[in-house]
Amino acid sequence: AQKITQTQPGMFVQEKEAVTLDCTYDTSDQSYGLFWYKQPSSGEMIFLIYQGSYDEQNATEGRYSLNFQKARKSANLVISASQLGDSAMYFCAMREGRNTGNQFYFGTGTSLTVIP
Amino acid sequence: GAVVSQHPSWVICKSGTSVKIECRSLDFQATTMFWYRQFPKQSLMLMATSNEGSKATYEQGVEKDKFLINHASLTLSTLTVTSAHPEDSSFYICSARADTPGDTNYGYTFGSGTRLTVV
Repeated sequence: AQKITQTQPGMFVQEKEAVTLDCTYDTSDQSYGLFWYKQPSSGEMIFLIYQGSYDEQNATEGRYSLNFQKARKSANLVISASQLGDSAMYFCAMREGRNTGNQFYFGTGTSLTVIP
Repeated sequence: GAVVSQHPSWVICKSGTSVKIECRSLDFQATTMFWYRQFPKQSLMLMATSNEGSKATYEQGVEKDKFLINHASLTLSTLTVTSAHPEDSSFYICSARADTPGDTNYGYTFGSGTRLTVV
């Protein structure tokens, strides 16, 4: 089974609107971390936001928020007030366990295009 | 914050030659480094995990003799693509884990990637 599933290969959003990028995960661990990364065409992986499995509140970082629904095993990224510079690939990732040396599992990514 | 420098950012090489990619943690010690490969419009695929001072652990299907990984110090890991062929053309990116879990990015920092083209 896929550890991370991103079902939206491509998304379009009007500038200044909000957009939700979907992510579901599969793990039997009680302790895990969920991450979102942005990858522009230059290729670098830009860390956006992190949610720990024991965090009771949804993570927020500026215009990014993570809609964490543990029972449904979903960790959707919400980008508010989209900007043209938000156009990029977005990857959801998970690290199982407490050890930060554990590997990441990445989803297949969502290509976001912001329309002027 | 934690910074990982990856060089070169792009390289073109002739088929049959070897190419070395460096991944260096600039302001922290990286016990563990991960090497990924990414084909166009696809996700990152983990190739191997390297721990300082020990042999790398390769993922299934990754040729150890073709993709040589050396993690000789706490700040440097290298990936050497030996006898490169056009099918090795890809985007290679490293990720380093800081020794202190409380560091930014929750212990993981990515390099900027290397675009390899084999002609």
